[in-house]
Amino acid sequence: DGGITQSPKYLFRKEGQNVTLSCEQNLNHDAMYWYRQDPGQGLRLIYYSQIVNDFQKGDIAEGYSVSREKKESFPLTVTSAQKNPTAFYLCASRGADQPQHFGDGTRLSIL
Amino acid sequence: QKEVEQNSGPLSVPEGAIASLNCTYSDRGSQSFFWYRQYSGKSPELIMFIYSNGDKEDGRFTAQLNKASQYVSLLIRDSQPSDSATYLCAGGNYGQNFVFGPGTRLSVLP
Repeated sequence: DGGITQSPKYLFRKEGQNVTLSCEQNLNHDAMYWYRQDPGQGLRLIYYSQIVNDFQKGDIAEGYSVSREKKESFPLTVTSAQKNPTAFYLCASRGADQPQHFGDGTRLSIL
Repeated sequence: QKEVEQNSGPLSVPEGAIASLNCTYSDRGSQSFFWYRQYSGKSPELIMFIYSNGDKEDGRFTAQLNKASQYVSLLIRDSQPSDSATYLCAGGNYGQNFVFGPGTRLSVLP
C-alpha cells in the first residue's frame, strides 16, 4: 500500500541525547515536510524539502536537523540543543500540485 | 508573515445540525485552501480542498471560498458525533509552503 510511514510511534529522549525520527514515503512525492504540534496547538513547520539533496528551514528549525539523501526518506534529528522537545511530530509529503498528506506521527517525550 | 486564523472553539452543535467552521488568511496571493480533520491523538486527514471562488460540495461537506474577503469556510451538514474533532484550515500556493491555522475544535452533542 502507498503511504507515509513514521517510526517509532513513541520515543523517549534522555537529557543531552540526540534522537532521530524516521519518515519514509513510497508515493514518489518530491516534497516532504516536518511539523511539530504541541497539545491544543496548531502545526509549526520545522524543515521542508522540495527535492532530493536540498532542504530549507521552517519557522522553528533551531535544535533540529534533517537530511534528504533519498527521495523516499526525510529523517529528523532532535538534537540536545532543543530544550523542550516534548511534542507530537508529523511528517507530510505531497506530489506536484497535490495536497499534503500526513504520516501517523511520532510522540516524543523526555525521560 | 503569512497567517491563517481560526476560532479555536470549542464549537458545539447538536447532532443533525449544520456546523459552520471559518478561516481567514492574510496572504492575498494564496490560491489553494485545504481543510483537514484531526481526531485527538491522531494525525490530520485531508477532507476538502478548494481553489476557486464559490462552493465545493462533497457528501455532507461544503467548502466555501471568497478570495475578495480572504475567507474560507467549511460546512458540515447533518453533523454526527463522529464529526467531533479539530478542523485545521491551511492555505497557500503550490511551489511554496502552506500555512496552517491553529484549528477549531468541534463537538457534536448527541
